[in-house]
Amino acid sequence: DAGVIQSPRHEVTEMGQEVTLRCKPISGHNSLFWYRQTMMRGLELLIYFNNNVPIDDSGMPEDRFSAKMPNASFSTLKIQPSEPRDSAVYFCASTSDDRNEQFFGPGTRLTVL
Amino acid sequence: AQSVTQPDIHITVSEGASLELRCNYSYGATPYLFWYVQSPGQGLQLLLKYFSGDTLVQGIKGFEAEFKRSQSSFNLRKPSVHWSDAAEYFCAVAPSGGYQKVTFGTGTKLQVIP
Repeated sequence: DAGVIQSPRHEVTEMGQEVTLRCKPISGHNSLFWYRQTMMRGLELLIYFNNNVPIDDSGMPEDRFSAKMPNASFSTLKIQPSEPRDSAVYFCASTSDDRNEQFFGPGTRLTVL
Repeated sequence: AQSVTQPDIHITVSEGASLELRCNYSYGATPYLFWYVQSPGQGLQLLLKYFSGDTLVQGIKGFEAEFKRSQSSFNLRKPSVHWSDAAEYFCAVAPSGGYQKVTFGTGTKLQVIP
């Protein structure tokens, strides 16, 4: 089991640029979560998908953020345009209905200059 | 709405000493409760979880936690800390059956001194 895979691990970009973060959940898992972790706000749920369908996106901060899950093995989180306040570590997690726990990826550390 | 409080931002213990990390939750019924550990540069790893039954829960790496309904607490303990336990620890709560809606505490950073 390869675990949840996220790419890139580190991203440095300039304000105004588009940023795309990628996640491959654990095979067989049908729920996927995107979190953002900052010193000020801790770990926040941005959005979660079940069976590739967005179920709750109430944590998405604003229209600059969008997430997609085109199939069961891939999801993206896009920020366009990026701003310095978006600098954070973004985690992806996945699970299945019979597991009752979330499995986290290693995260993507995003720095927006 | 559910919430979880970790009152200690930072704790320092000596290697070999016992450890207790505090966690208090707010939820109307019996929640699902979790403890996760995050090592530097890593994602979160589940240490243990409580859903129902025995209120003393055993986890990985020698950790245990006790659910106390009367105190709305779920404190994490370890009898003897190892240097490799230095990390950040997160308590989390979710509604029963609603593991998707997990709310995390702000974390407690553990430092272990030789």
